[in-house]
Amino acid sequence: DVKVTQSSRYLVKRTGEKVFLECVQDMDHENMFWYRQDPGLGLRLIYFSYDVKMKEKGDIPEGYSVSREKKERFSLILESASTNQTSMYLCASTQSSLANYGYTFGSGTRLTVV
Amino acid sequence: DQQVKQNSPSLSVQEGRISILNCDYTNSMFDYFLWYKKYPAEGPTFLISISSIKDKNEDGRFTVFLNKSAKHLSLHIVPSQPGDSAVYFCAASAKNTDKLIFGTGTRLQVFP
Repeated sequence: DVKVTQSSRYLVKRTGEKVFLECVQDMDHENMFWYRQDPGLGLRLIYFSYDVKMKEKGDIPEGYSVSREKKERFSLILESASTNQTSMYLCASTQSSLANYGYTFGSGTRLTVV
Repeated sequence: DQQVKQNSPSLSVQEGRISILNCDYTNSMFDYFLWYKKYPAEGPTFLISISSIKDKNEDGRFTVFLNKSAKHLSLHIVPSQPGDSAVYFCAASAKNTDKLIFGTGTRLQVFP
C-alpha cells in the first residue's frame, strides 16, 4: 500500500521556536506539496517541489521554508513559529502527470504554537 | 481571491437520500476537477474526478457533474450512508500544471 508518512501527528511548540515538519513518500513520486488546513479557509498551498533541490512558493509561503535533499523526503520549516501558524499541516505527493488519482496525502500534523 | 468556492459549509442529509455538494470556480483555465473526502485526524483521500471534456463521471454511488458554462460542478451521493459523513473538498487544476487549488470544504453529516 503506497504511503505518505508525516513524522508527527501532534506537535506543541513555543513561539519563536524553529519547527521542522517531516514528510516521506514511498511511491517514487516526483512532486511533493505542503498545505495547511484551517476552518473556513480550506487547504492552502504553502510550498511545492517538482524535483530534488527544487522548490516553488505556493499561495502562503511567508514564515515558511522547505527542503528537499532526497526525492522521497520533503520538509517544511517554520523559521520562528508564531501563534498564527497553529494549524493542520498536510503533505501530499503525486507523479508528474496528474492522471486520475490526484494527490496522495499524509495523515497530517496538528501543530499548536503557544 | 478564492478561485474555488464551496458556498455551503455544512449539509445534513438523512440516510438513504441523495447528498448534493456544490462547487463553483472562477478560473476558465481549469480543466481537471477532483473531489476529496476527509475524516477528522486523517489526510484527504481521493474520491472521484472529471476532465473538462466530459460533463459527467460516475463511480458507484458517486457521480460528479460539470457545467463548464456556469463554472459549476457538483457531487451526488446516492444513497447516502452514515459512513459518508466527512468533509468534502473540491479541487481544480489548470492545464500543464499539477498544482491543485482547493475549495473551503463542505461538512456532510448523514443521520439515520
